[in-house]
Amino acid sequence: SYVLTQPPSVSVAPGQTARITCGGNNSGSKSVHWYQQKPGQAPVLVVYDDTDRPSGIPERFSGSNSGNTATLTISRVEAGDEADYYCQVWDSSSDRVFGGGTKLTVL
Amino acid sequence: QVQLQQSGPGLVKPSQTLSLTCDISGDSVSSNSATWNWIRQSPSRGLEWLGRTYYRSKWFNEYAVSVKSRITMNPDTSKNQFSLQLKSVTPEDTAVYYCARAAVTTHYFNYWGQGTLVTVSS
Repeated sequence: SYVLTQPPSVSVAPGQTARITCGGNNSGSKSVHWYQQKPGQAPVLVVYDDTDRPSGIPERFSGSNSGNTATLTISRVEAGDEADYYCQVWDSSSDRVFGGGTKLTVL
Repeated sequence: QVQLQQSGPGLVKPSQTLSLTCDISGDSVSSNSATWNWIRQSPSRGLEWLGRTYYRSKWFNEYAVSVKSRITMNPDTSKNQFSLQLKSVTPEDTAVYYCARAAVTTHYFNYWGQGTLVTVSS
């Protein structure tokens, strides 16, 4: 089965840039999607198809995907960005697969 | 704007059937441009896609291998909703269950229900 690996936690100071990685075998050949989840809430799509943002998502959120790693980049981090972030792909053998999640802490 | 509203019991006894419903507003369960999904989240299993139902001239259901023998999803066009039934539950099925919408030909979920915590316990 296809596995997506994320670091359990990332910490960043306000105003700095946070980078959250998502590792998967040849992930660059797949479309990677990212979700933000705050406590007690459902996930919210923040990046889809590697680099696209849904309407209403700030330009501070961006994505990239190459080789075996996809990255969610959050520029000019704010306190309100503190949340869990999950990557997700579709794999022909594993259906829809989610990463284990990364807790972003804003110091 | 699509909205998904979930309903169903929060406590199910072991070996019984878990049943949840997702009411759709702002779209149609019979839409040819959407699929209707169930996803669950638990500390031990993380986010896990369970299955989807969708209409393309006829109804289709696709289920995750992990639950395929126990799961049923049904659309209800008269009520514009879809349902999840998971039979023979065990404590390992304790999780927050979400319904979610995906657009046709995409594999990401752009609308989610509010989530329902289902506890399997006697």
